[in-house]
Amino acid sequence: QVQLQESGPGLVKPSQTLSLTCTVSGDSVTNTYYHWSWIRQPPGQGLEWIGYITYSGGSSYNPSLKSRVTISLDTSKNQFSLNLRYVTAADTAVYYCTSVTTGTSEYGDWGQGTLVTVSS
Amino acid sequence: QSALTQPASVSGSPGQSITISCTGTSSDVGGYNYVSWYVQHPGKAPKVIIYDVTIRPSGVSNRFSGYKSGNTASLTISGLQAEDEADFYCTSYTSSGTYVFGTGTKVTVL
Repeated sequence: QVQLQESGPGLVKPSQTLSLTCTVSGDSVTNTYYHWSWIRQPPGQGLEWIGYITYSGGSSYNPSLKSRVTISLDTSKNQFSLNLRYVTAADTAVYYCTSVTTGTSEYGDWGQGTLVTVSS
Repeated sequence: QSALTQPASVSGSPGQSITISCTGTSSDVGGYNYVSWYVQHPGKAPKVIIYDVTIRPSGVSNRFSGYKSGNTASLTISGLQAEDEADFYCTSYTSSGTYVFGTGTKVTVL
């Protein structure tokens, strides 16, 4: 089990880039047991899968967001990050970072979530 | 990719059993045994209760069980308790190498 904590600005202006970081404690982001994922939830709505990055740096993204999103690993800080470009009000959501057990569908450990509002 | 279809709401009395369905296609639910279920209480992060269709993580009550038939996965909650009142989501791996969530189901304990 790992602990995850999201951090980043709570307010982003339209057309700018939303940048969030997830700090992992309790294990290494390069441990082959895990992949690392971002999931979001607009206020009052359901969950939306954004994408994930593997322990070796490979990635997969939601097709509806693929042109705007990048997930990256920072092994020196034991973190992984989300960049979402050209945001609009529709990107306002609680953003969660999670672990994914390799070779399974288990999104086992979650951060507490961070609300990001897109507004001028 | 389209969200998996779940009923908007399901209700039951304490002690009863309820089942939540999660319908996809042969390109997601029907094609892989990579379906998981999550419970989310208000203001909290989701928590996994079933993964890989039928597997319960350590510490999760055996009142939760998962099943799949064709393109539909199901979550059964037996012995319904007041604490089960929450939102439930399914998710599935897809043929595109991505994941897709279900629309979510609100469970009400009468």
